[in-house]
Amino acid sequence: GAGVSQSPSNKVTEKGKDVELRCDPISGHTALYWYRQSLGQGLEFLIYFQGNSAPDKSGLPSDRFSAERTGGSVSTLTIQRTQQEDSAVYLCASSLAHGAANYGYTFGSGTRLTVV
Amino acid sequence: DAKTTQPNSMESNEEEPVHLPCNHSTISGTDYIHWYRQLPSQGPEYVIHGLTSNVNNRMASLAIAEDRKSSTLILHRATLRDAAVYYCILRDDGSSNTGKLIFGQGTTLQVKP
Repeated sequence: GAGVSQSPSNKVTEKGKDVELRCDPISGHTALYWYRQSLGQGLEFLIYFQGNSAPDKSGLPSDRFSAERTGGSVSTLTIQRTQQEDSAVYLCASSLAHGAANYGYTFGSGTRLTVV
Repeated sequence: DAKTTQPNSMESNEEEPVHLPCNHSTISGTDYIHWYRQLPSQGPEYVIHGLTSNVNNRMASLAIAEDRKSSTLILHRATLRDAAVYYCILRDDGSSNTGKLIFGQGTTLQVKP
């Protein structure tokens, strides 16, 4: 597609349930990133993928968070046993190449997650 | 990663130029200067980036100081749609880098009609 697509755009879930958030990057972009943004806060890096390399998971806040990227394209961010503090907008971005600072990121519109 | 310092907020009048400053006194030789903006209720949007020379594109201009310790994002004619949070970020192209963008608090730009 023309841009980074994320689904769902909004998700309301009960505390303790698991959720899956999906990201479709721009075709041909080998690098994919997940960020989250709590209300009124800045962007917090979560994880990135580059091709077949091991992902950088250094930003994941707890072991309840995991992500995978299948076939070097679509990525799914999974949050298990959701807590109220997980409520945030989860943003996905893709880039032509990771580790090459001469490329910009393209962000999706995000998934707004509300844990009640 | 080297850090950047930006004013928390700025105001501008519509149709006037806006100069958004960014200080990065600890910048290294392999750091690119990136600018993104985030409009309300949207994901961040790439604006411009540069290394040493000034850069122009359809959205903005980037003026980089000769010593590279500061830069300025220039919006030539502000419109109401330019009201956003503007982030100045250094991206290291060195071999030890992981390449991820680390966002600070940015500058909230208000544009008055």
